[in-house]
Amino acid sequence: DSGVTQTPKHLITATGQRVTLRCSPRSGDLSVYWYQQSLDQGLQFLIQYYNGEERAKGNILERFSAQQFPDLHSELNLSSLELGDSALYFCASSVVSQRGLSYNEQFFGPGTRLTVL
Amino acid sequence: GQQLNQSPQSMFIQEGEDVSMNCTSSSIFNTWLWYKQDPGEGPVLLIALYKAGELTSNGRLTAQFGITRKDSFLNISASIPSDVGIYFCAGQLGAGGTSYGKLTFGQGTILTVHP
Repeated sequence: DSGVTQTPKHLITATGQRVTLRCSPRSGDLSVYWYQQSLDQGLQFLIQYYNGEERAKGNILERFSAQQFPDLHSELNLSSLELGDSALYFCASSVVSQRGLSYNEQFFGPGTRLTVL
Repeated sequence: GQQLNQSPQSMFIQEGEDVSMNCTSSSIFNTWLWYKQDPGEGPVLLIALYKAGELTSNGRLTAQFGITRKDSFLNISASIPSDVGIYFCAGQLGAGGTSYGKLTFGQGTILTVHP
């Protein structure tokens, strides 16, 4: 158990719908990352938050958005869903070093499997 | 963007054999990480490497951070059935710019161990 929790475990929805995925980081971790894993693209970085602020963006679609709340949990919102959005979505968390430059090891949650029909 | 090439794509070995897999990058990283993923689960961190040339062990696992900072390898000695899974390398720049803590992953190596 990595200490990172994600809900729900599975989500089945229809095209055009909107869903929200939730993540709680390990106790003490300030940084949260979202990744998408699909068969054709592999594991792809979406977005990073640190202590409530967006820090880095990857190949995240405009239909997707995220936020990190004061209690450090994070939500990933996916809207206008398409069949191609079906994938595993992982949240990871890490501490930030004293220097604030190195983000060290990331610990992954169990993921949310999204199926868009 | 940065690309990580991980090889081999898959391996079928007998229990007790040693395993070696590697990752190469088109550009440098400041941190290399190795993860293992079981079906339907999240990646589990195995080893983290922070310095070029660094050699680090975790039980039967040994990983090295290449001297050019563009490659890394992972060795598993005396494999056992529970080593079955997908192994991923990941590179991280980790300093400044817009990349920060972003991990760039290899395509994965699928390991099958026959008893």
